[in-house]
Amino acid sequence: DAKTTQPPSMDCAEGRAANLPCNHSTISGNEYVYWYRQIHSQGPQYIIHGLKNNETNEMASLIITEDRKSSTLILPHATLRDTAVYYCIVLRSNDYKLSFGAGTTVTVRA
Amino acid sequence: KAGVTQTPRYLIKTRGQQVTLSCSPISGHRSVSWYQQTPGQGLQFLFEYFSETQRNKGNFPGRFSGRQFSNSRSEMNVSTLELGDSALYLCASSFTGGENQPQHFGDGTRLSIL
Repeated sequence: DAKTTQPPSMDCAEGRAANLPCNHSTISGNEYVYWYRQIHSQGPQYIIHGLKNNETNEMASLIITEDRKSSTLILPHATLRDTAVYYCIVLRSNDYKLSFGAGTTVTVRA
Repeated sequence: KAGVTQTPRYLIKTRGQQVTLSCSPISGHRSVSWYQQTPGQGLQFLFEYFSETQRNKGNFPGRFSGRQFSNSRSEMNVSTLELGDSALYLCASSFTGGENQPQHFGDGTRLSIL
């Protein structure tokens, strides 16, 4: 499986955009990039996923570089409730098994 | 639309006992996966069920077992509990499984072994 590298932590001001980077330089052509987040004492929450194209939904945008070696999750207007650990995962074809690394602890400050 | 429901939320057991955890997937979802999450090991895949059949299995001992019913609800059983089984057990569901279908998690069952 392709490995991912994320910064251990980052701060963000409430109301500003939060840009979370993820490096996945060994990703294969048929592997998807997924983002989840987990707030303490809750189960992981699905945010967004993509293969090659940029994606946007009601929660966030996912920007994948043309060579697919890295991606950025964008939370357009961070709120205090976005404080969580964010996980970037690469999922290979026909693979159902999610595996989280250390993730990025995002703290949104008022 | 109701999310994934796991019961109970908290459970305390002693070594040697057994436990059964329950998971009700999102309506229409037929793939159910189970995970164990601990601070030291992170998220680890236990097994995945689809149409009442175990389709994938992680690297856990045979004390960990599961099943899925015809309504897609799933149960996980752990026998002869050990201290190291203390963890958050998470259930996740998707329509049919696969890399292009997000898995949606419940809030888990926190199991503590005394």
